[in-house]
Amino acid sequence: QKEVEQNSGPLSVPEGAIASLNCTYSDRVSQSFFWYRQYSGKSPELIMSIYSNGDKEDGRFTAQLNKASQYVSLLIRDSQPSDSATYLCAANAGNMLTFGGGTRLMVKP
Amino acid sequence: EAEVAQSPRYKITEKSQAVAFWCDPISGHATLYWYRQILGQGPELLVQFQDESVVDDSQLPKDRFSAERLKGVDSTLKIQPAELGDSAMYLCASSLAGARYEQYFGPGTRLTVT
Repeated sequence: QKEVEQNSGPLSVPEGAIASLNCTYSDRVSQSFFWYRQYSGKSPELIMSIYSNGDKEDGRFTAQLNKASQYVSLLIRDSQPSDSATYLCAANAGNMLTFGGGTRLMVKP
Repeated sequence: EAEVAQSPRYKITEKSQAVAFWCDPISGHATLYWYRQILGQGPELLVQFQDESVVDDSQLPKDRFSAERLKGVDSTLKIQPAELGDSAMYLCASSLAGARYEQYFGPGTRLTVT
């Protein structure tokens, strides 16, 4: 069974720090990887996509992909209390997108 | 900004009743997905459409769930009869063409079965 694994957390960081969220996946043929942010009671919001090995930066967010290690991560710089949410990692293989269970991030003022 | 529309936003129903959810994807998006999300878990795919055709419905409980996308645009997901275990968030998402591309979610329907 294809799986995407995330630590459920909560991950607690102080305001202004770097938050590091990690994700591993089991399917070696996975091609596309996505990070979603989900506030409590709301639907997931796409924040980053990454398709190639290496880093991809967008504002305060950096996604990192290592296909050899089957590992994808999301770094959030200068974390703000408004970043407090659950972050979902998703990996695509073929027609299927598989989500991890999410990591809850808490940014403390 | 284009968005995925869903209705209703909230639904309370008694077990054994029928319930239906509606989704209108982002214009031009050929692929439409229905997911179910239980609190504390990631979304799980129920059914995926490419235009009007079903691509994957392997996780759809077909004895009680049905989905259609007759004209390849909007879609309806139905549950009949609803069971207590169906209480969850039902999410619709769309993408340009297939799961390799970015998926955008609608606001979801929170279903409570009593």
